[in-house]
Amino acid sequence: SYELTQPPSVSVSPGQTARITCSGDALPKKYAYWYQQKSGQAPVLVIYEDTKRPSGIPERFSGSSSGTMATLTISGAQVEDEADYYCYSTDSSGNHRRVFGGGTKLTVL
Amino acid sequence: EVQLVESGGGLVQPGGSLRLSCAASGFTLSSYEMNWVRQAPGKGLEWISYISSSGSTIYYADSVKGRFSISRDNAKKSLYLQMNSLRAEDTAVYYCVREAKAEGFDYWGQGTLVTVSS
Repeated sequence: SYELTQPPSVSVSPGQTARITCSGDALPKKYAYWYQQKSGQAPVLVIYEDTKRPSGIPERFSGSSSGTMATLTISGAQVEDEADYYCYSTDSSGNHRRVFGGGTKLTVL
Repeated sequence: EVQLVESGGGLVQPGGSLRLSCAASGFTLSSYEMNWVRQAPGKGLEWISYISSSGSTIYYADSVKGRFSISRDNAKKSLYLQMNSLRAEDTAVYYCVREAKAEGFDYWGQGTLVTVSS
């Protein structure tokens, strides 16, 4: 079955740049999406189609993708950005399965 | 304002059944594909089922295939998940999620907790 791999945790100090990676064999063909989930809340979309930012999401959130790796970058991370982040994509094998990465806990302190 | 409100969760014994509902408002349900995503306590997100806007195309994750059934009633602005033969590992918060063509999973409900335990 198709898998997306993320690091379990990333830690930065406030104001630093946080980068969270997501690797998957189908990413050269399929878009990556990123979701932020704060404790006790539903996930929120922060990046779609690799690089696009929904309205209302701060400009410090950006996305990129190259080959089999997608990256979420938070430039000048804030304490309020501390959350779990999940990448999401779809399998390219034709089985139409939707897949989440295992999630990355971002600590900002 | 887009709203998705799940209901129907609760405590059920192993082997039992439960039907989740999701009430949609603030948008035209018939124009969107919909999904169910779950999250076990302390764990990550798991996609479990997709249904096309008309209901004609359905997909399931292997973990629930043959036990769960997704459906929708666009006239009633509702999405459903029939869960049979429930197992302890099905214990999770179940989210109703709208899927937009470009934005992907763009709106999520607040979730409903399903606990499978004797």
